[in-house]
Amino acid sequence: DTEVTQTPKHLVMGMTNKKSLKCEQHMGHRAMYWYKQKAKKPPELMFVYSYEKLSINESVPSRFSPECPNSSLLNLHLHALQPEDSALYLCASSQVQGGNSNYGYTFGSGTRLTVV
Amino acid sequence: GENVEQHPSTLSVQEGDSAVIKCTYSDSASNYFPWYKQELGKRPQLIIDIRSNVGEKKDQRIAVTLNKTAKHFSLHITETQPEDSAVYFCAAGGLGQNFVFGPGTRLSVLP
Repeated sequence: DTEVTQTPKHLVMGMTNKKSLKCEQHMGHRAMYWYKQKAKKPPELMFVYSYEKLSINESVPSRFSPECPNSSLLNLHLHALQPEDSALYLCASSQVQGGNSNYGYTFGSGTRLTVV
Repeated sequence: GENVEQHPSTLSVQEGDSAVIKCTYSDSASNYFPWYKQELGKRPQLIIDIRSNVGEKKDQRIAVTLNKTAKHFSLHITETQPEDSAVYFCAAGGLGQNFVFGPGTRLSVLP
């Protein structure tokens, strides 16, 4: 299995809702990432987990809460989001944190989130 | 921290022509430079990458060149086809560092 699987593919939520995004990989990768991508912009790093420990939190608002239950799973819990949080949320994984040939990132297909 | 610039932001070429996208980076510690292609509504997909100990790498119609002294690297696509139309992102990083992406280039290949 050489894929990163994200669910759901699409999500519409109200500003008072609580929802979770899920990401799964079975490549034995020990680093997993959440990125946010707005239209016509590059992916923007939100969180990095390395060996199931939160390594980097790029000053993301607390209404986004990551969780890494085990080495294959990564969740992003959403609560009290704002319309400007609408975006494509991408999960990625790599063999180890950071990049190097043979250790490149594999991206999931993303969850397209709309906050109404 | 690392800063990656990318030019041009949009590029239109006739089918069969070549396309070149250029990126510069600021952190001399970066040693890994991937290129991602993202089609509309889809995930970024790695198309080619290069390490800092290599000056050029080629894969069929795609090549990447790296000038470590000048801190710039370029993507070259030859014999472009309509299916090459997409947004292309360069990135710079290294083991233990996280990728920094360039702002992207929207390539349109006109039939």
